[in-house]
Parts: sequence; C-alpha cells; structure tokens
Amino acid sequence: GQNIDQPTEMTATEGAIVQINCTYQTSGFNGLFWYQQHAGEAPTFLSYNVLDGLEEKGRFSSFLSRSKGYSYLLLKELQMKDSASYLCAVRDSNYQLIWGAGTKLIIKP
Amino acid sequence: ETGVTQTPRHLVMGMTNKKSLKCEQHLGHNAMYWYKQSAKKPLELMFVYNFKEQTENNSVPSRFSPECPNSSHLFLHLHTLQPEDSALYLCASSPQTSTSGTDTQYFGPGTRLTVL
Repeated sequence: GQNIDQPTEMTATEGAIVQINCTYQTSGFNGLFWYQQHAGEAPTFLSYNVLDGLEEKGRFSSFLSRSKGYSYLLLKELQMKDSASYLCAVRDSNYQLIWGAGTKLIIKP
Repeated sequence: ETGVTQTPRHLVMGMTNKKSLKCEQHLGHNAMYWYKQSAKKPLELMFVYNFKEQTENNSVPSRFSPECPNSSHLFLHLHTLQPEDSALYLCASSPQTSTSGTDTQYFGPGTRLTVL
C-alpha cells in the first residue's frame, strides 16, 4: 500500500529552527508538496520538490531525497504564527496526491 | 484568501436531514475536488471533477452525492448521514487534474460538519 509518515506533533521555541520529516512509500513519484494549515483554515501551499536537493523560500526550506523516500521541511527563525499543522503529500505514478496525517507544530515563547 | 470559498462554514444535521455544501472558485481552474479531513488522519480524496466531468469517485458511500454544474462551482449533497461522517469537508481546485508539472491544489476553508 501507499504510505506517508510524519510525526504527529512537535514543539519548538520562538526564534529557533525546527525540521519536520516526511517519509513516503508510494507507487511511483511525481513530486512532493508541503502545505501549512492553521486551525480552522484552509491548507495553503508552501513548497514543491520533484528533484533531489534543497528548495529555499525565505524562512522555509524543503529537502528531498528520492532514493531514500524522504523529505523534510525546515523552518527558521520561528514565529508564533508558525504554529500550525504541516501536511506532506506525494503525487504518485497516477498523479494522485497521497497525503500524510500532518504534523502539528506548537511554538512556545 | 485562497480564491476558493465554501459555505456554510459550520453545519449540524440530524441523520435524516438533507443538506448541501457549496464550493466556488474564482481562480479560473478546471479541476475541483472534495476531501474529507478527520482528526489525526490523512486527507481522504472523495471526488474529482475535471472540466465538469467526474473523473474520480474513491468508493464514497452513496449518501454523498456530488454535483458540478460548471468549472467554478461544486456541490456536495448529503442525505441520511451517519455520526462517523462528522468531519471537516474541504474543497480544492487546480488548473486541471495534473498530468505533469507543479499543478498545485488551492483549498477552501472547509465546512465543519457534525452529524447528530
């Protein structure tokens, strides 16, 4: 079967750095997405990786290793507004999105 | 604001009621999706429409009935639901159902459904 694993919950301190990991086992691979979802709000697109390596966007970076079936989302200079759930999703060989259950990130002052 | 709106935002209904969820996208997209989001579970894809044609029905019970009158509007008609159907129902849109590239899905804020 197809599977996306990410930690259920993480806690970090304001101003620090946090890395949220995502491992996947899917039928084929056509890209990996990270979304942010604040409580009661829509998931919003953060990043897309299809080739190995690091993609940087301001305070957020996303890394992909296709050979290891692994990605991470790196958040720097954490702010209280970064408290949210972070969803990892992989597009499989049929171009279907397979979703992880999300990682709830709690930022403490 | 993602360009995708959903109404109502909250809905409480009994098991014998009939109600409808509405989604509208203002992005000029051609594909629209219904997802179910339950606590601590992955998003479950329910239905996909591409250019108003249903292209995906992921074994969803018949008590959920989708309707897509045009590329901008999507409905989910609900009848005789069960308490386990209580969840957040999310609508999304994308340029088209992706066969290449970075086609990203844009989500609405969801309807929080409670079935009593």
